[in-house]
Amino acid sequence: AQSVTQLGSHVSVSEGALVLLRCNYSSSVPPYLFWYVQYPNQGLQLLLKYTTGATLVKGINGFEAEFKKSETSFHLTKPSAHMSDAAEYFCALSGSARQLTFGSGTQLTVLP
Amino acid sequence: EPEVTQTPSHQVTQMGQEVILRCVPISNHLYFYWYRQILGQKVEFLVSFYNNEISEKSEIFDDQFSVERPDGSNFTLKIRSTKLEDSAMYFCASSQSDSHTDTQYFGPGTRLTVL
Repeated sequence: AQSVTQLGSHVSVSEGALVLLRCNYSSSVPPYLFWYVQYPNQGLQLLLKYTTGATLVKGINGFEAEFKKSETSFHLTKPSAHMSDAAEYFCALSGSARQLTFGSGTQLTVLP
Repeated sequence: EPEVTQTPSHQVTQMGQEVILRCVPISNHLYFYWYRQILGQKVEFLVSFYNNEISEKSEIFDDQFSVERPDGSNFTLKIRSTKLEDSAMYFCASSQSDSHTDTQYFGPGTRLTVL
């Protein structure tokens, strides 16, 4: 069985501050990991993904995530938050099953 | 940039009625998926579809559900007799291949409300 846990359903940061959204996973096989973002009234948009190779993955809009096997984590970071980053963020896993297994999502609020 | 589209954006129906949710996947994609998200819960996989057949389905996808690619562009999810617990946001997705590493592109969703 595979699962994804996102710690913190709501995260608030000030504009310009570091964004850190946490994701831990469980998988019996080497996982492929994804971060998706959902803006209001829009679909899930891929931010970045880890497949194999380099464990630090860079995505769109200045986001990056690091795959840490020893910690079974794939946390999402951005050095400086922008108002336009306010959205819901989903961590997802593809492992033994082809279909994506999602975390429960983290709503990011950026304060002026 | 190509995108997945879904219609309608919001569907309200009475319990026991049939509903059809429609999706137009990205044109050169071959693999199609339906996921749903009940309010306050995780996004859950329902079914994947390739070459006019169901590839995988979850335990949620029971006999009340069916999928179809009626023509070269549309991909539909039918719920035969809706229940209150079918109220959810339904997302369609598509990908070029079935590789675990291939990106699944999602549509904006259809919010289904069953009264």
